Amino acid sequence: DADVTQTPRNRITKTGKRIMLECSQTKGHDRMYWYRQDPGLGLRLIYYSFDVKDINKGEISDGYSVSRQAQAKFSLSLESAIPNQTALYFCATSDAGLAGARGSYNEQFFGPGTRLTVL
Amino acid sequence: KNQVEQSPQSLIILEGKNCTLQCNYTVSPFSNLRWYKQDTGRGPVSLTIMTFSENTKSNRRYTATLDADTKQSSLHITASQLSDSASYICVVSAQDSSYKLIFGSGTRLLVRP
Repeated sequence: DADVTQTPRNRITKTGKRIMLECSQTKGHDRMYWYRQDPGLGLRLIYYSFDVKDINKGEISDGYSVSRQAQAKFSLSLESAIPNQTALYFCATSDAGLAGARGSYNEQFFGPGTRLTVL
Repeated sequence: KNQVEQSPQSLIILEGKNCTLQCNYTVSPFSNLRWYKQDTGRGPVSLTIMTFSENTKSNRRYTATLDADTKQSSLHITASQLSDSASYICVVSAQDSSYKLIFGSGTRLLVRP
């Protein structure tokens, strides 16, 4: 089974509808992230969570909300979808890494993505 | 502003040939640089991660180099295979926020028979 799963994999919806994308992980990681990918652009961070009680906005959080229901689950909601939210959405997880250590990193593991189309 | 730029945007090569992809970054203070492979319709998968003290790292037919002085990295693919057709994404993180990854827009590689 995949370590990071996303549902649905594809979704077509209409402007104004509420949409929820779900992410689950079995890696035991504390940190979870939501990104969107648009053609010709790098992935951009929407929201991230370091644990169940710690949720933070990324660089493009407007129009989105998230919920961390458990360590293993992190969902992304579009309260009222609009066409420019059409994109590929990826969930990722990581451990905490070596906090503060120079050259430290926390490798992020990505889910398979959700292709969302807003008409 | 922290940025990552990749070149070329796209590349077509014949199976069995080698190729090199380039990445320039302006992220400071630098923490680490990663190369990801993203197959069409899939999530990115890590190929290599290099910190400031590493200047070359290999993973099978993939060899990444890092020059922290010039803020450049390259990914060399040897003896390309059809399965190498994918987007290759350069990602950099800063020391003060290593969890925030700065993504390049990727190089789309097509390997033809």
